[in-house]
Amino acid sequence: AQTVTQSQPEMSVQEAETVTLSCTYDTSESDYYLFWYKQPPSRQMILVIRQEAYKQQNATENRFSVNFQKAAKSFSLKISDSQLGDAAMYFCAYLDKFNDMRFGAGTRLTVKP
Amino acid sequence: DSGVTQTPKHLITATGQRVTLRCSPRSGDLSVYWYQQSLDQGLQFLIQYYNGEERAKGNILERFSAQQFPDLHSELNLSSLELGDSALYFCASSATGTSGGYEQFFGPGTRLTVL
Repeated sequence: AQTVTQSQPEMSVQEAETVTLSCTYDTSESDYYLFWYKQPPSRQMILVIRQEAYKQQNATENRFSVNFQKAAKSFSLKISDSQLGDAAMYFCAYLDKFNDMRFGAGTRLTVKP
Repeated sequence: DSGVTQTPKHLITATGQRVTLRCSPRSGDLSVYWYQQSLDQGLQFLIQYYNGEERAKGNILERFSAQQFPDLHSELNLSSLELGDSALYFCASSATGTSGGYEQFFGPGTRLTVL
């Protein structure tokens, strides 16, 4: 079964600085999708960014970008110019071609003013 | 706003009781997923429905059941409630197709408190 590991339970970053959240996954599939979801204190799950495994180019959404290393099965999230509103739990997720999604345990990001 | 709605927002009940959580997916989405998130925990996948049929089962207790109706809304039934069932229950929906890879859009969740 596919597993998703987020090895950093907590991270902190100074406002306006850059932070990278780590995620690794285990799979024998070649066709899959990866996501980062954000869960702010409101507890709403918000999609941040997605990456298709067949794409070599790393996905970018404004201040959010990923470093996708398929051979290493690594999928990190970089947040640039961190803002107070970025403070949240961040979940890495793996989706296979059968729409079976697995989530990591999450990383709690604190942004210091 | 994800387009997924869940009712009620909050539910407080006693041990041994039964409750029903309701979810309406985004317009056009055929797949509905249920997740449980206990305090400061990750999301535990419970069950998936696709167009009225059960598609996948995760760590769902026998005391829990779900269904998806012809209008595609879904209900999660929790019975013989225990204190440990207190959690945030999320519903998510996704599009489906032959290409796969459709991300899930989450509702706001139902917070269940069992006293």
